[in-house]
Amino acid sequence: DAGITQSPRHKVTETGTPVTLRCHQTENHRYMYWYRQDPGHGLRLIHYSYGVKDTDKGEVSDGYSVSRSKTEDFLLTLESATSSQTSVYFCAISESRAVYTYEQYFGPGTRLTVT
Amino acid sequence: AQTVTQSQPEMSVQEAETVTLSCTYDTSESDYYLFWYKQPPSRQMILVIRQEAYKQQNATENRFSVNFQKAAKSFSLKISDSQLGDAAMYFCAYKLGNTPLVFGKGTRLSVIA
Repeated sequence: DAGITQSPRHKVTETGTPVTLRCHQTENHRYMYWYRQDPGHGLRLIHYSYGVKDTDKGEVSDGYSVSRSKTEDFLLTLESATSSQTSVYFCAISESRAVYTYEQYFGPGTRLTVT
Repeated sequence: AQTVTQSQPEMSVQEAETVTLSCTYDTSESDYYLFWYKQPPSRQMILVIRQEAYKQQNATENRFSVNFQKAAKSFSLKISDSQLGDAAMYFCAYKLGNTPLVFGKGTRLSVIA
């Protein structure tokens, strides 16, 4: 299994509070991603990173920000959590070298509930 | 933008039988990757099978195989000899080079003993 951890694994927070989710990898992969999973929507991309300090927006980026100050960590921040951000959040990593065939490896997920 | 469509929100199969999950995608590119991921109740995303678009031969992994029809932009997953442990959500996904995976909405597969 790819070395990807997410913390926390579960969190309940109140509307309006800031929340930060952490993704940590031990694979030294260049690319990191944050997705959210909601019933009936599959996994949708929030933000991704293609290197340290290099990030880009995904399909559902409103209300989220990210930071990547070192290769192994990718942080997702909800500046002011809303109930619509209740979801399961997945981190993923990938590498562009041919041997990896562009696969994305996923972390275990974080269930976030905003009350 | 690329899109991936899974037209079957739910499917069921008898244990030991064969089931096929459908997936279509939309792209103007010629060189890309396609994947099927399994998500059991544990929530972990597990790669089932991958297909490189430049390969004409359909990928196979044990009881799992795909029917890749490039011209039709179709990528179905066949599960043979279904087992109770195959019950899960299955996601079809498309990837172009280093861009992020684009997922379909998923198909929930139930296996009936």
